[in-house]
Amino acid sequence: DIQVTQSPPSLSASVGDRVTMTCRASQDINSYLNWYQQRPGKAPKLLFYSASSAPSGVPSRFSGGGSGTEYTLTISNLQPEDLATYYCQQTYSPSPGFTFGQGTRVEIK
Amino acid sequence: QVQLVQSGAEVIKPGASVRVSCKASQYTFTNYDINWVRQATGQGLEWMGRTNPKIGDTAFAQKFQGRVTMTSNTTISTAYMELTSLKSDDTAVYYCARGRRFWSGYYLDIWGQGTPVTVSS
Repeated sequence: DIQVTQSPPSLSASVGDRVTMTCRASQDINSYLNWYQQRPGKAPKLLFYSASSAPSGVPSRFSGGGSGTEYTLTISNLQPEDLATYYCQQTYSPSPGFTFGQGTRVEIK
Repeated sequence: QVQLVQSGAEVIKPGASVRVSCKASQYTFTNYDINWVRQATGQGLEWMGRTNPKIGDTAFAQKFQGRVTMTSNTTISTAYMELTSLKSDDTAVYYCARGRRFWSGYYLDIWGQGTPVTVSS
């Protein structure tokens, strides 16, 4: 079974800061790694697929990277609207499921 | 625009079943999977399973095997998720999401608005 672990569970930063969060898989998932943003009270929104590919409309201050078992999501120039919880998801193996990480909650100081 | 619209909130008694619907619009329904994800209050996202509306195949998280059914009615572009033998810890918001497969990955690109399900006597 592939386990996915996110860190840190939460972080607090100021507007304009650069923040980075990490997602670690228990085995090589060959970049089958997605990132989602969930603002309070809203449905999740796709931010990156295949570790570093962004759908149209994602602001350029967001970047995704990594390979193998370790992946990162970076927000440069943090904005108030980035207040949200960010989840990674592995889609390498459907068994036991396309598991999500536990999430990283981003707060604005 | 491309969207998924889900059915409304449900209050269900323990031991009963719930069926949530998810209607797709502005895209070819049979060209994409429908995934189901749930989220208990204050908790993270939990992937439940997926279905392919064109061929009807399904894949479920082991936790839900035997208790969940995922079906589709292609004539009305609507997917359904039924969960049986409900317990209080099934209380959650249930989301449907379009699953898109391509050569180097699989991702959920369009999400429904969520359906709150409360299990309570």
